[in-house]
Amino acid sequence: GAVVSQHPSWVICKSGTSVKIECRSLDFQATTMFWYRQFPKQSLMLMATSNEGSKATYEQGVEKDKFLINHASLTLSTLTVTSAHPEDSSFYICSARGVADGLYEQYFGPGTRLTVT
Amino acid sequence: AQTVTQSQPEMSVQEAETVTLSCTYDTSESNYYLFWYKQPPSRQMILVIRQEAYKQQNATENRFSVNFQKAAKSFSLKISDSQLGDTAMYFCAFPAQGGKLIFGQGTELSVKP
Repeated sequence: GAVVSQHPSWVICKSGTSVKIECRSLDFQATTMFWYRQFPKQSLMLMATSNEGSKATYEQGVEKDKFLINHASLTLSTLTVTSAHPEDSSFYICSARGVADGLYEQYFGPGTRLTVT
Repeated sequence: AQTVTQSQPEMSVQEAETVTLSCTYDTSESNYYLFWYKQPPSRQMILVIRQEAYKQQNATENRFSVNFQKAAKSFSLKISDSQLGDTAMYFCAFPAQGGKLIFGQGTELSVKP
């Protein structure tokens, strides 16, 4: 089946530092990847849409200079949280859209828990 | 703009019984998909079932089935013979422009032994 991985699964960083989260589609090519943010007991909120080889499209209210997204290949997208602050602590989930097992749909990564101290 | 609403924040059901989770949505499109996702404590999103709007027949996947009412813009999920492993957050989702998913607020389902 289609597998999307995220690395790291859990990261703790100090306030003011930057942290990079990787999202990889392991057995299919993803022309589009999505980055979501989820607070405890809440729904997933889309942050941005990432298309391979082009600039990401950010949702309203998401700071593009703070959340840098790069989609360098058909299997890898990265989210960099720059100058992280405690309020950036959250669960970040990526998904990859492509054809796998004959189906064109969206496949989710396991998520990354970010804690900023 | 498309919206998705889940009005039941929490539900509980006894093991082996049936439970129905509600979802309503708003769209001006005529042809679309609808999804139910499960998020267990591991937080991995798992696709439970999908429904194509042009199909009148309700989708089923083993113990999971939907009641799709297109005119009413209602898309409920029925879980039969509930199992302890069904305990999770359940999200209704609608794909918007560009393939991005719009999620409902979620329903936290607890299956009690």
